[in-house]
Amino acid sequence: NAGVTQTPKFQVLKTGQSMTLQCAQDMNHEYMSWYRQDPGMGLRLIHYSVGAGITDQGEVPNGYNVSRSTTEDFPLRLLSAAPSQTSVYFCASSSGTSRRFQFFGPGTRLTVL
Amino acid sequence: GENVEQHPSTLSVQEGDSAVIKCTYSDSASNYFPWYKQELGKRPQLIIDIRSNVGEKKDQRIAVTLNKTAKHFSLHITETQPEDSAVYFCAASQDDYKLSFGAGTTVTVRA
Repeated sequence: NAGVTQTPKFQVLKTGQSMTLQCAQDMNHEYMSWYRQDPGMGLRLIHYSVGAGITDQGEVPNGYNVSRSTTEDFPLRLLSAAPSQTSVYFCASSSGTSRRFQFFGPGTRLTVL
Repeated sequence: GENVEQHPSTLSVQEGDSAVIKCTYSDSASNYFPWYKQELGKRPQLIIDIRSNVGEKKDQRIAVTLNKTAKHFSLHITETQPEDSAVYFCAASQDDYKLSFGAGTTVTVRA
């Protein structure tokens, strides 16, 4: 099992550009989430999904879109990048049935100029 | 929403001593309290978690205590070792997949 994978590892964008951060898991987990990590602020929930076709907003959803067409994939879209979105982004997944704790992906470091 | 406060923000301990990190939460409906360890440049990794029907849980040198009445929970690391140096995050949740995190504690173990 690869666990939770994220691509790219690093990305630099200019203000106003759009892009998609990819997240995939091969553990057949029902739940998937996106967090951003900023210095001194811990991790904050952006969006989450409880299953294919079902998504909902977290604590800081503005400027981001998600979709969940399959159990495995949960991409995060930045519609029009802003410097305030400079952060490290982590995707996580967890099972709804077996021991339910979140596995995190390796993260994507995004810089918006 | 849930608000989790974590103290201290930095902690320096002598190797072999104990380290204690404390967190408080605001939402009495929260019932799941995990602790994550994050080494520099790495992903957060779960080290221990506790649910609200348990007051204490131990795993080798790590223990977590929960006081639901006071809405606080703590991480205890005994016999600290250099490899315990990292950032530790507490979190609280009503649902396992929607975590509210504390701001983190940077632990440094001095040799």
